[in-house]
Amino acid sequence: EVQLVESGGGLVQPGRSLRLSCTGSGFTFGDNIMIWFRQAPGKGLEWVSFIRSKAKGGTTEYAASVKGRFTISRDDSMGIVYLQMNSLKTEDTGVYYCSRVSSSVSSIYYYYMDVWGKGTTVTVS
Amino acid sequence: EIVLTQSPATLSLSPGERATLSCRASQSVGSYLAWYQQKPGQAPRLLIYDASYRATGIPARFSGSGSGTDFTLTISSLESEDFAVYYCQQRTNWSFGQGTRLEIK
Repeated sequence: EVQLVESGGGLVQPGRSLRLSCTGSGFTFGDNIMIWFRQAPGKGLEWVSFIRSKAKGGTTEYAASVKGRFTISRDDSMGIVYLQMNSLKTEDTGVYYCSRVSSSVSSIYYYYMDVWGKGTTVTVS
Repeated sequence: EIVLTQSPATLSLSPGERATLSCRASQSVGSYLAWYQQKPGQAPRLLIYDASYRATGIPARFSGSGSGTDFTLTISSLESEDFAVYYCQQRTNWSFGQGTRLEIK
């Protein structure tokens, strides 16, 4: 079964750090772009960060709201993607989801998320 | 930046009825649009990708159509488990629409 499981969420004070983990199973983890989203209480989905596969350079991107504070990384041997969150703010509160990015039928664009974890809750207060 | 606008914000229907949800992009996204369903306390679930392809395991009552800037998600005959929030998402900048809440009338 293809699965993603997030962990590491919790209650933290503003200015402190937290590291989230997302463990994948049932697929070749290293072949995939992995992405983090978050959802503040009662709000919509917001992209946080993604990391390309090593074959595509392993490069990373960040939303403007977290750039310089968050760092994404991956350990393909363990099937884990991490999100290191530093200098946390109250507005970082929400459920954080890890997802696998998949490609269009034409394989031109990688843009939609076909596998999602259940999420881990981060509360900054 | 491409913005997705979903309508209506809330749709009230009864089981067995047909649901039609709209997603409009501020610029053309070709056919690169996906739809997701999210129930309270759960992660989003992929329904449709590339505007009209059903994801694995998605029932045939869900269908997607459209291209360019106008897209539609149709649920042919609502079942009780279909009442949820639906989001569209396009291929640039990982952005979603604001969602349509499908509620029981």
